Amino acid sequence: KQEVTQIPAALSVPEGENLVLNCSFTDSAIYNLQWFRQDPGKGLTSLLLIQSSQREQTSGRLNASLDKSSGRSTLYIAASQPGDSATYLCAVRSRKTSYDKVIFGPGTSLSVIP
Amino acid sequence: GAGVSQSPRYKVAKRGQDVALRCDPISGHVSLFWYQQALGQGPEFLTYFQNEAQLDKSGLPSDRFFAERPEGSVSTLKIQRTQQEDSAVYLCASRFIGTSGASDTQYFGPGTRLTVL
Repeated sequence: KQEVTQIPAALSVPEGENLVLNCSFTDSAIYNLQWFRQDPGKGLTSLLLIQSSQREQTSGRLNASLDKSSGRSTLYIAASQPGDSATYLCAVRSRKTSYDKVIFGPGTSLSVIP
Repeated sequence: GAGVSQSPRYKVAKRGQDVALRCDPISGHVSLFWYQQALGQGPEFLTYFQNEAQLDKSGLPSDRFFAERPEGSVSTLKIQRTQQEDSAVYLCASRFIGTSGASDTQYFGPGTRLTVL
């Protein structure tokens, strides 16, 4: 059974710092891994999606890496801003289902202090 | 509309009441998913529809939970005889392509926060 974990559970950093969020998954048979952002009272917004054949994806100040063999992904946020404060969730799409079943981690709650 | 919408946004129910949660997916999206998100946790899969067909309901926690999508667009998640452990945010997501292997993402609604007293 696929399990997804995220470390740390919560993180508080001063504005301007670079930071790394970690995601681990137990079954490497995945189609892709996706990072989402969730703001309080709102749904999830997709940030980056990495296919199983890729090693990283970049969007602006965000960079996500994927090491499928070790079951790990990292989300790197450069020059953090207060507006980055949110919960960040990683999710994997398993190859062992015939459709788009996605397993989420518990999330990392990020606070960027001005 | 431009995105996935859900209603109501907040629902308070007394234990034992029945509730119905509505999801309006993005027009033309084939796939529709329901998730349950407990406080401090990630979303957990409940059920999946491809058009009007419910292809997987393995995540529904009990037979008190029932979902339908009769015309392949709007979906309703119904919870009968609500219990306190049903308190959570219920998220709906839709996706354009129904078959596996595609790379496009799921688009999420804002969720319905259900509180059972």
